[in-house]
Amino acid sequence: DIQMTQSPASLSASVGDRVTITCRASQTISRYLNWYQQKPGIAPKVLIYATSSLQSGVPSRFSGSGSGTDFTLTISSLQREDFATYYCQQSHSIPYSFGQGTKLEIK
Amino acid sequence: QVQLVESGGGVVQPGRSLRLSCAASGFTFSSFGMNWVRQAPGKGLEWVAVISDEGGDAHYADSVKGRFTISRDNPKSTLFLQLNNLRAEDTAVYYCARRRNSCFPVCYYYMDVWGKGTTVTVSS
Repeated sequence: DIQMTQSPASLSASVGDRVTITCRASQTISRYLNWYQQKPGIAPKVLIYATSSLQSGVPSRFSGSGSGTDFTLTISSLQREDFATYYCQQSHSIPYSFGQGTKLEIK
Repeated sequence: QVQLVESGGGVVQPGRSLRLSCAASGFTFSSFGMNWVRQAPGKGLEWVAVISDEGGDAHYADSVKGRFTISRDNPKSTLFLQLNNLRAEDTAVYYCARRRNSCFPVCYYYMDVWGKGTTVTVSS
């Protein structure tokens, strides 16, 4: 099974900051990597799929990159509504595993 | 609009069973694979199971294999998850999520529509 490891586990940042979250797979997953955002008490929402494709309706300040085993999610200029928990997920092979999450908090 | 609504959660004793449902609307249900994902209290997301669009192919996380069964009724646009021999560690919010694929030309899967979730608590 493929293990997904995110870093950092938590992050404090300010509105307007540029933020990067990293996700590493335990084996190569090509570009089969998705990113989700979850706010407390609400279902997750897909932001990025296939490493770098922006889901319809998601602001362009979100971007993704990477290939193989190392991936990043970047938020170019944090907005108040971006404070949430972010998860990466691989869809290369079953079981479809998630990272443990990165909680983005207001500094 | 496109919507998924889960139901069937509740409080159940260890070793007992429960059946979750997920009612789909606003899209052609039979054209999409479907997933169950769960989230234990204060924890991260855990993928549970996936079923193909026609229902002939299903896969499970090791943690639930042999105890949970995913199924679907396409004419009724409903997804199910049968939970048997429940354990305390199965306590979680259970979400159903649509599997979307985007092919260019390789097909990439992701979960693009999620329900609000239904809570399962396993406790004596």
